[in-house]
Amino acid sequence: EAGVAQSPRYKIIEKRQSVAFWCNPISGHATLYWYQQILGQGPKLLIQFQNNGVVDDSQLPKDRFSAERLKGVDSTLKIQPAKLEDSAVYLCASSLYGATQYFGPGTRLTVL
Amino acid sequence: QKEVEQNSGPLSVPEGAIASLNCTYSDRGSQSFFWYRQYSGKSPELIMFIYSNGDKEDGRFTAQLNKASQYVSLLIRDSQPSDSATYLCAVTMEYGNKLVFGAGTILRVKS
Repeated sequence: EAGVAQSPRYKIIEKRQSVAFWCNPISGHATLYWYQQILGQGPKLLIQFQNNGVVDDSQLPKDRFSAERLKGVDSTLKIQPAKLEDSAVYLCASSLYGATQYFGPGTRLTVL
Repeated sequence: QKEVEQNSGPLSVPEGAIASLNCTYSDRGSQSFFWYRQYSGKSPELIMFIYSNGDKEDGRFTAQLNKASQYVSLLIRDSQPSDSATYLCAVTMEYGNKLVFGAGTILRVKS
């Protein structure tokens, strides 16, 4: 069974530029999560989707971050404009049911 | 008060010893508890989950849960250098399946 796929793996941008990350969950997993992990910290949930609906986006900085999961499968997370403090690893995870989540390899974002 | 607290470490143990990793949480309504392992530069990998009070064993790993004390631990028996990583504790809050992670404990197993 293929795991969670993410791209790109690395991205370097200048502040105020925009960037987008893509995630394809494990086949059949209805729930998809985006996390931000800053160096030395645990992952922090940004947004949770159940199929193509948003379950929780309470910690998503909505003035600059947006996410969508239009067909209930893959998802895109966008940052526009990026700030220096957005430098982090962006992790996508999926779950079949319950809270048991499996993570993708992540995208390491550096904002200069 | 942080929702999920872990000692950042590093915890250093000799090869073959038992490593004991601890985690406390603030939400008395938490139902599910997870341990993830994260190697440097890699993403978190699920090791174990536990829902009920007591112990759950899987190979060299044992998860222990005490809901009254709001405490969950992970024991690693016969520790190997390959176990050297950051161990993340994650807990569901009272509502839904939202996971809140601790900052992780760095484990170093010395040969």
